[in-house]
Amino acid sequence: AQTVTQSQPEMSVQEAETVTLSCTYDTSESDYYLFWYKQPPSRQMILVIRQEAYKQQNATENRFSVNFQKAAKSFSLKISDSQLGDAAMYFCAYRRGNYQLIWGAGTKLIIKP
Amino acid sequence: DTGVSQDPRHKITKRGQNVTFRCDPISEHNRLYWYRQTLGQGPEFLTYFQNEAQLEKSRLLSDRFSAERPKGSFSTLEIQRTEQGDSAMYLCASSPGPPWTGELFFGEGSRLTVL
Repeated sequence: AQTVTQSQPEMSVQEAETVTLSCTYDTSESDYYLFWYKQPPSRQMILVIRQEAYKQQNATENRFSVNFQKAAKSFSLKISDSQLGDAAMYFCAYRRGNYQLIWGAGTKLIIKP
Repeated sequence: DTGVSQDPRHKITKRGQNVTFRCDPISEHNRLYWYRQTLGQGPEFLTYFQNEAQLEKSRLLSDRFSAERPKGSFSTLEIQRTEQGDSAMYLCASSPGPPWTGELFFGEGSRLTVL
């Protein structure tokens, strides 16, 4: 069965600094999709970044990038130049089949001004 | 605003009562999902609709839970004879497709508190 593990319940970073959130997963599939979603306080969950497993190049979206290590089954999120608006819960997720996402427990990111 | 909307945002009820949540997805999305999220956890999949057809239902969804999506538009999630363990955030999401890129568009959720 696929599982997603986020080992950091909480992380904090100084504004304008860089932070990396960790995620590991377990699967026997060779082709799959991984995601990072962001859930700000009292607001809806939104997609931050997506990685397709067959693509060796790490995905990047502006200040957000991933370090995808397929052999190690690791999928970390790097946030550069952290901003106050980045404060949120961050969830790593694995796509199973055509309609399910398997989610990690989340990492709470605190931005220190 | 053309995002996913959920109603009510908060519901407090007594154990044993029935509650119903409504979700209005993005209009052009034919896929609709319900998730449950408890404090400190990621969302747990409950059920999935493609148009009006309920194609998958999690084992988490006991017989007290029922979901509908008449005419493939809005959806309702009903919980009968609520229990304290039902207290959670109920999230609705929608997406276009197939093919599905994996992106879900979430509502702000309906928080249920069972006393």
